[in-house]
Amino acid sequence: SQQGEEDPQALSIQEGENATMNCSYKTSINNLQWYRQNSGRGLVHLILIRSNEREKHSGRLRVTLDTSKKSSSLLITASRAADTASYFCATDFNNDMRFGAGTRLTVKP
Amino acid sequence: NAGVTQTPKFQVLKTGQSMTLQCAQDMNHEYMSWYRQDPGMGLRLIHYSVGAGITDQGEVPNGYNVSRSTTEDFPLRLLSAAPSQTSVYFCASSFLAGEAGELFFGEGSRLTVL
Repeated sequence: SQQGEEDPQALSIQEGENATMNCSYKTSINNLQWYRQNSGRGLVHLILIRSNEREKHSGRLRVTLDTSKKSSSLLITASRAADTASYFCATDFNNDMRFGAGTRLTVKP
Repeated sequence: NAGVTQTPKFQVLKTGQSMTLQCAQDMNHEYMSWYRQDPGMGLRLIHYSVGAGITDQGEVPNGYNVSRSTTEDFPLRLLSAAPSQTSVYFCASSFLAGEAGELFFGEGSRLTVL
């Protein structure tokens, strides 16, 4: 079974609003990563957070990690139409990287 | 910069045929992996490798073989194609420093098995 589970499965917001996606996982991890996929393309890495970190920022992205709850969240601030894509969390444990089913984000102009 | 290159981009097979999906990276990455992506299922790990001569199974390895004779190449072989193997296949690579790092993905290979 897949390691990560994203929530919600789909999210639709207006441009300028913030988007929050959540990821839960089941086992111990070395790190957790977030990826973005535009329709029909390969995945692009967004951010990596290690198991001993609690929060990380990169531009308009903010990621949190709570290892006690086995969960992570990705916040995209001031969203743009170009942020429309699918977002996936991936967990690494001993080089075995597993992905969740993803959140489909639609940002309306 | 080529990055991760997958070939072919599209392939149609008949049930029972065999084929190899090619993956090459020019970033000297130790770690390489293959995923399949089906609608609503996200990506599922098929096989991965942490260096030349070393491979390991992922979540869904049955029906697939891999080998890693060089750092650059990580081909995925379908031994006897089945309709259930219709999917989009992604190859990915990363540096390895005790744990998997940022994965770089190819553009995918879309396989249809009739």
